[in-house]
Amino acid sequence: DTEVTQTPKHLVMGMTNKKSLKCEQHMGHRAMYWYKQKAKKPPELMFVYSYEKLSINESVPSRFSPECPNSSLLNLHLHALQPEDSALYLCASSQVPLSYNSPLHFGNGTRLTVT
Amino acid sequence: KNQVEQSPQSLIILEGKNCTLQCNYTVSPFSNLRWYKQDTGRGPVSLTIMTFSENTKSNGRYTATLDADTKQSSLHITASQLSDSASYICVVTTMEYGNKLVFGAGTILRVKS
Repeated sequence: DTEVTQTPKHLVMGMTNKKSLKCEQHMGHRAMYWYKQKAKKPPELMFVYSYEKLSINESVPSRFSPECPNSSLLNLHLHALQPEDSALYLCASSQVPLSYNSPLHFGNGTRLTVT
Repeated sequence: KNQVEQSPQSLIILEGKNCTLQCNYTVSPFSNLRWYKQDTGRGPVSLTIMTFSENTKSNGRYTATLDADTKQSSLHITASQLSDSASYICVVTTMEYGNKLVFGAGTILRVKS
């Protein structure tokens, strides 16, 4: 089992809904990430939090809003999504941001379907 | 342009056989190279991480090699098992833009009995 826990595992939402994805790790990691992965494609970076501060936003539309309440938790708030936003959303963490000794630990993702 | 290319795109082998997956990259400046295994519907799991000074690194039946001069890496799987069926992703970290990961498209491996 992965040490990064994501909930829910599956989510179906309409385009007018507001929902949130949650991610939790208790490894003491200080960097946390959101990735989006479409079928048969590699993960695409969305956001990076470093020491609980947003350090990278890869020009993600504002309908995706990240939040890092503390060093163990990472949320992704969703609002007014489009069907093309349907994908596997992966959370990851690392001890420090992207250094040699910090492999990324991924959760198993939330499979999001926007109807 | 920073790119990571993997070959083959997909591969089918018989259980017990060995196989080698390839990764070529044009990423610069280079920081490290990682191989991940991703089972269907699950998150990627790290297999190895190598810097430019490391030529080879093993993790059980997985052995990764790196030639930083030719910018090539390979992942060799020995005595394959059905559970090795997965996507194998090569990821190169560049120190540009504050350490950015560049993902390859992956090689889909299927091990048959």
